[in-house]
Amino acid sequence: AQKVTQAQTEISVVEKEDVTLDCVYETRDTTYYLFWYKQPPSGELVFLIRRNSFDEQNEISGRYSWNFQKSTSSFNFTITASQVVDSAVYFCALSGGGATNKLIFGTGTLLAVQP
Amino acid sequence: EAEVAQSPRYKITEKSQAVAFWCDPISGHATLYWYRQILGQGPELLVQFQDESVVDDSQLPKDRFSAERLKGVDSTLKIQPAELGDSAMYLCASSKTDSETYEQYFGPGTRLTVT
Repeated sequence: AQKVTQAQTEISVVEKEDVTLDCVYETRDTTYYLFWYKQPPSGELVFLIRRNSFDEQNEISGRYSWNFQKSTSSFNFTITASQVVDSAVYFCALSGGGATNKLIFGTGTLLAVQP
Repeated sequence: EAEVAQSPRYKITEKSQAVAFWCDPISGHATLYWYRQILGQGPELLVQFQDESVVDDSQLPKDRFSAERLKGVDSTLKIQPAELGDSAMYLCASSKTDSETYEQYFGPGTRLTVT
C-alpha cells in the first residue's frame, strides 16, 4: 500500500529562519511521482513541485529547495529565509501505479512564520 | 491564468438534507478529480473522471454520494442525505490527462458544514 508520512504536525519559526519540512513515503512501485502542495488559509491547494522516482537530483527554486533520497524514501522541503507569507499548511503527496494517478497525501505540516 | 472553478464556496446544511457541489475544470483538461479533506487531514480521492467516464470511485460512499460529468466538462457532486460526518472541504482538481506527468490543479474548494 502507498503511504505518506509527515511527522511534523506544526512548526513555528521566526522570519528569516530556514525551515525544513520532512516527508517519508512508502510504495512498492518502481515508477512513482512525489509532489509538494501549499495550502494557505484560503483553502486552495497550490502546486509547488513534482519529482519522478528516476530523478534524484535536488532542485532549487528561489527560496525553495527539495531533497529527494530514494535510499531513505524521503522527499524533504526546505524554505530558506522564511517569510510571513510562507505561513500555510504544506502537503507532501505520492502517486503511481494502479489504474489511476490519484494523489496520496500526508497529513500536512502547519508552518507558522512569526514576524 | 486558467483556474478550476467551484461553487458554492461555503455551504451549511442540516442533517438529512441534500446538497450539491459544482466544479468547472480548466479548459481542455480531460481528467477531473473530487477530493474530500477532513479538518486536520490531507485530501482523499472520492472519484476520478476521464472525460465523462468514471475511472476510480472506490472511496465514494455510493449509498449517499453521487457524481457525474455528463458532457465531459463540468461536474456535480451530490450528497443525499447529508450526515454530520460529511462536514469537510470538498476539493475539485483537474489535469490534462490521467498521466502522472501532469500535475493536478485544484480549485478553491467548497467548505461543507452539516448541522
